[in-house]
Amino acid sequence: DAKTTQPNSMESNEEEPVHLPCNHSTISGTDYIHWYRQLPSQGPEYVIHGLTSNVNNRMASLAIAEDRKSSTLILHRATLRDAAVYYCILRDLMNYGGSQGNLIFGKGTKLSVKP
Amino acid sequence: NAGVTQTPKFQVLKTGQSMTLQCAQDMNHEYMSWYRQDPGMGLRLIHYSVGAGITDQGEVPNGYNVSRSTTEDFPLRLLSAAPSQTSVYFCASFDGNTGELFFGEGSRLTVL
Repeated sequence: DAKTTQPNSMESNEEEPVHLPCNHSTISGTDYIHWYRQLPSQGPEYVIHGLTSNVNNRMASLAIAEDRKSSTLILHRATLRDAAVYYCILRDLMNYGGSQGNLIFGKGTKLSVKP
Repeated sequence: NAGVTQTPKFQVLKTGQSMTLQCAQDMNHEYMSWYRQDPGMGLRLIHYSVGAGITDQGEVPNGYNVSRSTTEDFPLRLLSAAPSQTSVYFCASFDGNTGELFFGEGSRLTVL
């Protein structure tokens, strides 16, 4: 399975934009890029995902490099509630047999938000 | 919306005891799974199921059993608890249409 590399931790100020990077140099053409986050003492929650084009939703934006070897999760205005561990995960569309839900979670990036 | 519900939220066991962590989802998802998370670590896949009557092993299956008799329920059984199984356990279900994995709130297990 293709792996991802993320910084261990990042800091941000409240109400400022945050750019969380992820490297996935061995990504295959059928890998989706997913982002999840885990708030303290909670289960992970879905944030966003994409394949080739940049994606936006109410929580965040996902910018994908043209060669797809890296991506950036963008939180446009960080709030204290955004303090969490953010996971960048690859999901292979070609994992047939129903195993597409087998997401591999690394250690992620711990985001701290200062008031 | 209930989503994925796990019980119990907290449990303390003695070494050698057995117990079952319950997981239920009301989204009619075929795929369900169990992860464990140890301090400072990412989540590791224990077992998963792609539908009723079908289960398979994940990365760390030893010491755990699962069964899937209905679409809604996916219990995780510890047959003989060991201190190494002290962890937080998360159940999840997967929406194949949206590609989204939904997690429960977790079950914190301590084995003395």
